[in-house]
Amino acid sequence: EPEVTQTPSHQVTQMGQEVILRCVPISNHLYFYWYRQILGQKVEFLVSFYNNEISEKSEIFDDQFSVERPDGSNFTLKIRSTKLEDSAMYFCASLVYTEAFFGQGTRLTVV
Amino acid sequence: SQQGEEDPQALSIQEGENATMNCSYKTSINNLQWYRQNSGRGLVHLILIRSNEREKHSGRLRVTLDTSKKSSSLLITASRAADTASYFCATEETSGSRLTFGEGTQLTVNP
Repeated sequence: EPEVTQTPSHQVTQMGQEVILRCVPISNHLYFYWYRQILGQKVEFLVSFYNNEISEKSEIFDDQFSVERPDGSNFTLKIRSTKLEDSAMYFCASLVYTEAFFGQGTRLTVV
Repeated sequence: SQQGEEDPQALSIQEGENATMNCSYKTSINNLQWYRQNSGRGLVHLILIRSNEREKHSGRLRVTLDTSKKSSSLLITASRAADTASYFCATEETSGSRLTFGEGTQLTVNP
């Protein structure tokens, strides 16, 4: 069964460092998303990406965040200068038609 | 209150009993989806119900949708210990748009 894969599964980084979270969406999917979930809280939308550009972003997705599809298959989320409050699970999702498939997530810990 | 609120926040039942979780939302929707999340893991899509549907079944799952009340319920029949997880509803306002997640219900099924 096709699946969305995310790497790494866990990343620890120092405050102020840049991190890149990677995702390989399902190959024939057209819409790509990043969500995050702070420990014990609900899942929050960050950004959606369609036709090689951002189609929607939330207020969380400020100038510190960026997304790219560098090679037509991978989909990355970059956080330029991490803050303690960026510590969360980050989920990538891809969609065709109506069902969004989520990856297993990257647990980001900022220390 | 926020889009996609579930109640109860926590539910503890015995194996074999039915579990019912409710979700309310605020805006008009294209569809409503239920996801399951085991502790610290990714989101698993369970079932999707479109705005023009009132009820849907999938195995031991039954979902209802009342768009006049902007509410949905998820019923898990004959629960098993392996059903222990957090369950989230998520609404999609238009096709391909972001999913807005609720706070989740933590279900514990005791053997």
